This record gives sequence, C-alpha cells and structure tokens, in this order.
Amino acid sequence: GAVVSQHPSWVICKSGTSVKIECRSLDFQATTMFWYRQFPKQSLMLMATSNEGSKATYEQGVEKDKFLINHASLTLSTLTVTSAHPEDSSFYICSARTDQETQYFGPGTRLLVL
Amino acid sequence: DQQVKQNSPSLSVQEGRISILNCDYTNSMFDYFLWYKKYPAEGPTFLISISSIKDKNEDGRFTVFLNKSAKHLSLHIVPSQPGDSAVYFCAASTHSGGSNYKLTFGKGTLLTVNP
Repeated sequence: GAVVSQHPSWVICKSGTSVKIECRSLDFQATTMFWYRQFPKQSLMLMATSNEGSKATYEQGVEKDKFLINHASLTLSTLTVTSAHPEDSSFYICSARTDQETQYFGPGTRLLVL
Repeated sequence: DQQVKQNSPSLSVQEGRISILNCDYTNSMFDYFLWYKKYPAEGPTFLISISSIKDKNEDGRFTVFLNKSAKHLSLHIVPSQPGDSAVYFCAASTHSGGSNYKLTFGKGTLLTVNP
C-alpha cells in the first residue's frame, strides 16, 4: 500500500515558538494532502486541505495564520504551528490522496507545548 | 452536527468469532465510505472501502456492507483475532462540490478481541 511519513514523530517546545511538521508521500505522488488533529479519545478533525501549488483550504474555526500549510511538491506538505501555546498540544496527522479516493495516513506527530 | 456516527464506543469479542462494527450517516451526499484501523499514537491504517453503487465489498477477513436506504454501513471481521484489537473509524466522503474527497470521520469504536 501507499506509504506516508511524518517528521518529527514527537516534538516538545516552549510556548511562543513555532513548530514545523513535514508530511511526505514516499511511493506515490499526492494530488491532495490533508491535515488533521486528534484530541484524546476524540475523532480525527480535519484542519485543512492542500493541493500542490495552491493555497490550502481551511475548515471553519481553524486559524490560517496560526496553522500555516505549504504544499510545495506532489510529495511534500508542511504544517507550521506558529507561536504555539499549550492549547495547541495535540496529535497532528497528515494524509495523502492520489487520483483515487482513498486517503493514506502518516503515523502522526505528537506536539507538546510547555 | 455529527454526520458520521459510531454509536458503540467499544466492543468486546472472543477470538475466532465475528466482530460487527456499525456506522450510521446523515448526509445523503456521501457516496464513498471507508474503514480505518488505528492504534494509539499511530496514524489510521486503511482497511477497506465501498462505493455507494455497491452494497458489499469483501477483502479477506473484512467485509463492508452498505445499506443506502438506512444510511448504515457495517464492518464484519471474521474470524476475529487478538491482533485486530484497535480503534476502528468509519469515514465518508462525497464527490460533489469540488470536495477534494475530504473525509468525515466517526468517533471510533474500540474493538477488543479476547484470546
């Protein structure tokens, strides 16, 4: 099956700093990439959808200036959490889609903001 | 408003028996449905999907059934194995309106398969 990687898998940072998370499709070109976050015992909540070379589409309630998404190539998307605060601590997961409908997920990044 | 609902937060099954995980949806525009399996602190793993033009799809021990009139789908795992113990998410998407096939997830059902 299609493989999606995320880096880093764990990050701990101080409040006010920015954190960048990378999402890569390793063996396929991703038409679209998605970013989700998951709080404990909750479902995955879609944050934004990004297509290569165009601006990301953010879901209602997600601050685009806080969660910067760049999709520079068909195999790489990045999510930058700017000026992170403790309430941004969460599990961030990306997924990638080819021209088929199935999304393949990365292993996730655990962010802890102190 | 939750458009995809998994009303059972947990399910416990004996090894070798059938596991049936249920999912209901409210949005009639959904036309593609997927099941994912997830372990703690890992990303979801795709299991099986079904298009709305079908009512059944089978892949090994996994079968998904879709009842469009009832807006209900289910995942059957038979025989269940201890390694199947995980959280199972139901997800749905629509082709319409340039949706980019974004997925709407249920809250998940924790399946425990006892040896």
